[in-house]
Amino acid sequence: IAGITQAPTSQILAAGRRMTLRCTQDMRHNAMYWYRQDLGLGLRLIHYSNTAGTTGKGEVPDGYSVSRANTDDFPLTLASAVPSQTSVYFCASSPLAGGYNEQFFGPGTRLTVL
Amino acid sequence: GQNIDQPTEMTATEGAIVQINCTYQTSGFNGLFWYQQHAGEAPTFLSYNVLDGLEEKGRFSSFLSRSKGYSYLLLKELQMKDSASYLCAVRDQDYKLSFGAGTTVTVRA
Repeated sequence: IAGITQAPTSQILAAGRRMTLRCTQDMRHNAMYWYRQDLGLGLRLIHYSNTAGTTGKGEVPDGYSVSRANTDDFPLTLASAVPSQTSVYFCASSPLAGGYNEQFFGPGTRLTVL
Repeated sequence: GQNIDQPTEMTATEGAIVQINCTYQTSGFNGLFWYQQHAGEAPTFLSYNVLDGLEEKGRFSSFLSRSKGYSYLLLKELQMKDSASYLCAVRDQDYKLSFGAGTTVTVRA
């Protein structure tokens, strides 16, 4: 069982380029999340999806978009990357959004925008 | 929204006990989580509190007081492998998690 996988592991990107970070889970979890983690700021929610077909905005959604066409996949797209989007990005999933359901995190993608 | 505060760093000796405090202000409370994160790795779940009181799980315990907006994570019989960052996270009424900046615990021999 793979759990949650993210790709790529790391990426260096020129400013202005479009980039999609991939996230796939094989646990049939309903809820999925994207976070960015920056030194001193902790994890901040970018976008989330409580169930396939629905998405919502988190704390820092500007410059990012997501889609949830099926249960397993939750890609995060940067339409036109900027240096302030340099960060470590974590995807997470949870069986359900509420209740005693913790979030399981993927290994992360380290993104550098130059 | 949520405003979550926890100390930046703590240092303790192997075998000792450390208590990490977390205070929060929330517009809607729907549970509090503690996660552990080793350097360069993903966060992993430690504990969940939604009602007041203490939850014990082996060497780790977590306490919640909703009226005070306060939680703590207690790490007993510290081991070197416990050196990590500990993240306090509050879930709101829309089931979104807000994380504190994390507390880096260093365990010395």
